Amino acid sequence: QLVQSGAEVKKPGTSVKLSCKASEYTFRKSAMQWVRQTRGQPLEWIGWIVVANGDTDYAHKFRERATITTDMSARTAYLEMTGLTLDDTGVYYCATGGVAPAIWGRGALLAVST
Amino acid sequence: DPVMTQTPLFSSVALGQSASISCRSSESLVSRDGETYLSWLHQRPGQPPRLLIYKVSKRFSGVPDRFSASGAETYFTLTINALETDDVGVYYCLQSSKFPHSFGPGTRVEIK
Repeated sequence: QLVQSGAEVKKPGTSVKLSCKASEYTFRKSAMQWVRQTRGQPLEWIGWIVVANGDTDYAHKFRERATITTDMSARTAYLEMTGLTLDDTGVYYCATGGVAPAIWGRGALLAVST
Repeated sequence: DPVMTQTPLFSSVALGQSASISCRSSESLVSRDGETYLSWLHQRPGQPPRLLIYKVSKRFSGVPDRFSASGAETYFTLTINALETDDVGVYYCLQSSKFPHSFGPGTRVEIK
């Protein structure tokens, strides 16, 4: 199971840090990815982290603004997004699995509003 | 980077009939290890996506055999047989063979 942090309301230009806690010890052997869905749009892959070694990769459009990290002792992954705009409003999911995202968090709503 | 497209974007199917969705990649999805990491996911309104198929054609645990998939290289299909009411929603293909990973635009399936 993946338990995500709660809804956030942010102003444009600010940052947010979302969390995703794994219930299983297999967290260390996994890769955690972040996906978002904004205003009725399709799913959008943000990036991922290989928990064991911290290797990350990001979609091009998020490379300058997103940072994915983990705290292995807390079995938690984080997504930090900077320079928020109104277009970042949406639901942010974390997901993990072996060769495909089999386990998903329930999503965290991020509202960016003036 | 692979760009994923899906057809159709919308499908209206009668209960008990079949639906077929295609997913095409702008480049081969055969990864360095020789595997093809193409998945299909289903999302109902207000819910997170659910994995149906991984590695082109393997059904995830608990997915009924009404769902089948096939394909190779750049062209993949998902078939849903004997459509049920729970099958409505949006179906996405996802490529995890190459970075960055990418989703298709989604195909909305409704009951006719």
